[in-house]
Amino acid sequence: QVQLQESGPRLVKPSGTLSLTCDVSGDSISSGNWWSWTWVRQPPGKGLEWIGEISHSGSTNYNPSLKSRVTISVDKSKDQFSLRLISMTAADTAVYYCARVSLTYGGNPVDSWGQGTLVTVSS
Amino acid sequence: SYVLTQPPSESVAPGKTARITCGGNNIGSKRVHWYQQKPGQAPVLVVYDDSDRPSGIPERFSGANSVNTATLTISRVEAGDEADYYCHVWDNGGDGVFGGGTKLTVL
Repeated sequence: QVQLQESGPRLVKPSGTLSLTCDVSGDSISSGNWWSWTWVRQPPGKGLEWIGEISHSGSTNYNPSLKSRVTISVDKSKDQFSLRLISMTAADTAVYYCARVSLTYGGNPVDSWGQGTLVTVSS
Repeated sequence: SYVLTQPPSESVAPGKTARITCGGNNIGSKRVHWYQQKPGQAPVLVVYDDSDRPSGIPERFSGANSVNTATLTISRVEAGDEADYYCHVWDNGGDGVFGGGTKLTVL
């Protein structure tokens, strides 16, 4: 069974850059075209917001509202994928989840989630 | 951009049936997924592709999708079902869209 674990700084200064990594275990990112990898965030007390996604081939798709600030990349040799978000503001304070999208079903559900990591933007 | 609309809250007595709706323009043409999120925990997939259940999810959880509304139905509600529930689709551009979430309270 796949497990995902986020890592990175918990505190980012305003105008700074957030860099998070997701370690994938129990299955390999390179295991095939069955999955893509995604980031979702949740501000405190609010709902889920999709940030973006990276496919097995490395192609990316981003939330239009974040597209100018976000980069998602993958390191298959380490079974990791990463999130980079620049020009952080207080509005970016949220729990950030890495997750797996299953491409084996018609609608591509998010079938596995990391535990999430709270990132606070503050000076 | 595509918008999914959920009621902020629903309440139900134990043993009764809860129905949580997710509205979207022509949502019936999309495949809808539902997630359960308990306080301090990550979301868990409970229904995918409108009405299918992942392994380990009780049969009490079911889903339907038609025209402009998708519905998650929880039968014989238990106290442990109290949680936030989110619907999710991929829009025509391949972007992920979540509903605003519904807080289910078991009375």
